[in-house]
Amino acid sequence: AQSVTQPDIHITVSEGASLELRCNYSYGATPYLFWYVQSPGQGLQLLLKYFSGDTLVQGIKGFEAEFKRSQSSFNLRKPSVHWSDAAEYFCAVGEEGGSYIPTFGRGTSLIVHP
Amino acid sequence: DAGVTQSPTHLIKTRGQQVTLRCSPKSGHDTVSWYQQALGQGPQFIFQYYEEEERQRGNFPDRFSGHQFPNYSSELNVNALLLGDSALYLCASGSDNEQFFGPGTRLTVL
Repeated sequence: AQSVTQPDIHITVSEGASLELRCNYSYGATPYLFWYVQSPGQGLQLLLKYFSGDTLVQGIKGFEAEFKRSQSSFNLRKPSVHWSDAAEYFCAVGEEGGSYIPTFGRGTSLIVHP
Repeated sequence: DAGVTQSPTHLIKTRGQQVTLRCSPKSGHDTVSWYQQALGQGPQFIFQYYEEEERQRGNFPDRFSGHQFPNYSSELNVNALLLGDSALYLCASGSDNEQFFGPGTRLTVL
């Protein structure tokens, strides 16, 4: 069964600093990988996704993620964090060729200090 | 273009009661999925509806049931509510490689 591990429950960064959120997945075949963001009281918004091709994926709001098959990782990065980026971030893995039922990690809460 | 909408926004019930949550998918989407998100956790898949049939189901008891209407909107029903059913219930619609989520319904069971 597929699974996702987000090892950091909370991450605190200063505004303007760089950010990297970690995600490791377990899946036997080629995964579909996703990062979602959830602001307080909101649903999930898709930041970016990887299906195949270039392993460095660009998303919305200045985020990017890199798929590393050898490490089973899909870490999310942003070069300069803004206060409005404070939110909960979820990594998810979906099954290739399936009806797309993603399995989510437990999330990482990003706190941004001024 | 309206996205995924859910109603109600918040709901308070007592143990043993039954609840119905509603979802309207994004325009053009015919597949609706429901997720339960407990506090501090990621969403967990409950089930997915397509063409008015339950297509896939996660590891949830039969107390959780659903329905999809001809206009693709959907309902989630939970019977015999337990305290542990308190959560944010998310509806999502989409295609095989992307889902769009609604804002959720916050259910509190007392």
